[in-house]
Amino acid sequence: NAGVTQTPKFRVLKTGQSMTLLCAQDMNHEYMYWYRQDPGMGLRLIHYSVGEGTTAKGEVPDGYNVSRLKKQNFLLGLESAAPSQTSVYFCASSWNRGLAFFGQGTRLTVV
Amino acid sequence: AQTVTQSQPEMSVQEAETVTLSCTYDTSESDYYLFWYKQPPSRQMILVIRQEAYKQQNATENRFSVNFQKAAKSFSLKISDSQLGDAAMYFCAYRSMNSGYALNFGKGTSLLVTP
Repeated sequence: NAGVTQTPKFRVLKTGQSMTLLCAQDMNHEYMYWYRQDPGMGLRLIHYSVGEGTTAKGEVPDGYNVSRLKKQNFLLGLESAAPSQTSVYFCASSWNRGLAFFGQGTRLTVV
Repeated sequence: AQTVTQSQPEMSVQEAETVTLSCTYDTSESDYYLFWYKQPPSRQMILVIRQEAYKQQNATENRFSVNFQKAAKSFSLKISDSQLGDAAMYFCAYRSMNSGYALNFGKGTSLLVTP
């Protein structure tokens, strides 16, 4: 059972480039989340989804877009990367009140 | 929005001793969950313990226990018989029954365990 898998694990982007982070879960969870983690800031919610075809903004959504076309996948897009988006990104999934399962994180550096 | 405050950026404990990590939160909700997560250098987010707000009994998991004071909105983590493997970042998190049940994290406490 793979749980929550994030692709890629590491990436270096140049300012202005675009990329998509993929989160895949095999637990049939309805809820999925994207967080970013910066030093001294804990994890902050970027966007979340409560089911296939739905998305909603979290605490820090600016500069990011998301899509949930399939229940098992939650994509996080950066259209024009900025150095301020250098961070570690975590995806998580859960059944409503159930435990949240986290991916292993993606370290993104924007130069 | 709920806020979670961890007032101790760093803590240190000697092996085999006990340490308590503090967490306070702000909410107007009556039904919610509280969690402690451990994050070692591998970056993996590991659930340590969770507490349901409607349960008065404090949660325990082996050497880990919490002191949940609902009226004071306090949720501290006690680690007994500390081990070198306990060294990590510890995050307190609040889970609302709204906003897609998303977790709201504190800024974390870095725990150092010395031999």
